[in-house]
Amino acid sequence: QQQVKQSPQSLIVQKGGISIINCAYENTAFDYFPWYQQFPGKGPALLIAIRPDVSEKKEGRFTISFNKSAKQFSLHIMDSQPGDSATYFCAARDNFGNEKLTFGTGTRLTIIP
Amino acid sequence: EAQVTQNPRYLITVTGKKLTVTCSQNMNHEYMSWYRQDPGLGLRQIYYSMNVEVTDKGDVPEGYKVSRKEKRNFPLILESPSPNQTSLYFCASREDSYEKLFFGSGTQLSVL
Repeated sequence: QQQVKQSPQSLIVQKGGISIINCAYENTAFDYFPWYQQFPGKGPALLIAIRPDVSEKKEGRFTISFNKSAKQFSLHIMDSQPGDSATYFCAARDNFGNEKLTFGTGTRLTIIP
Repeated sequence: EAQVTQNPRYLITVTGKKLTVTCSQNMNHEYMSWYRQDPGLGLRQIYYSMNVEVTDKGDVPEGYKVSRKEKRNFPLILESPSPNQTSLYFCASREDSYEKLFFGSGTQLSVL
């Protein structure tokens, strides 16, 4: 049972374009939504995160948009660069029990010149 | 430098031969966790530990064991590995539940 559904599985964007990755969830106990970035041969690293009391958070070229009523959130990468080529995972924290992070299935992003 | 160190990076073994993947963190974090990463399935939690001597199952604990005798170390034990445990494994730690997870560099395990 996939509690956080992520799409697309892979994405190719031209340099300078906007990359958009979407995630959806069902569990209303989720209360924290981070995005992790993973380069080949490395562990995932926190990129940006949002809590459900705001609808948008921006850090440089990276923006999270959050729609609480639709239970959806997305990552937007503006002016995408080849160095952004990586796998991106959305995640959601459960505020019940062990407060674990549940991850999406990942999106492999490739930025072409 | 704050880090989570896993060893080994690569491991090839045969079915049934017990193995241990070590994990150590130098940030004095209370929470540690193991994940496995498989294509199309993302990262799935195997076991976690909220503190020394406190461990509990994650989503996919079958075939794995862990221990937390010291705060900094959280080894993953496969007592009788099987081919379906071939995967990329990550150890992670964090200070607070709203803080970021620090991941190790991963252990690529192949069970033949």
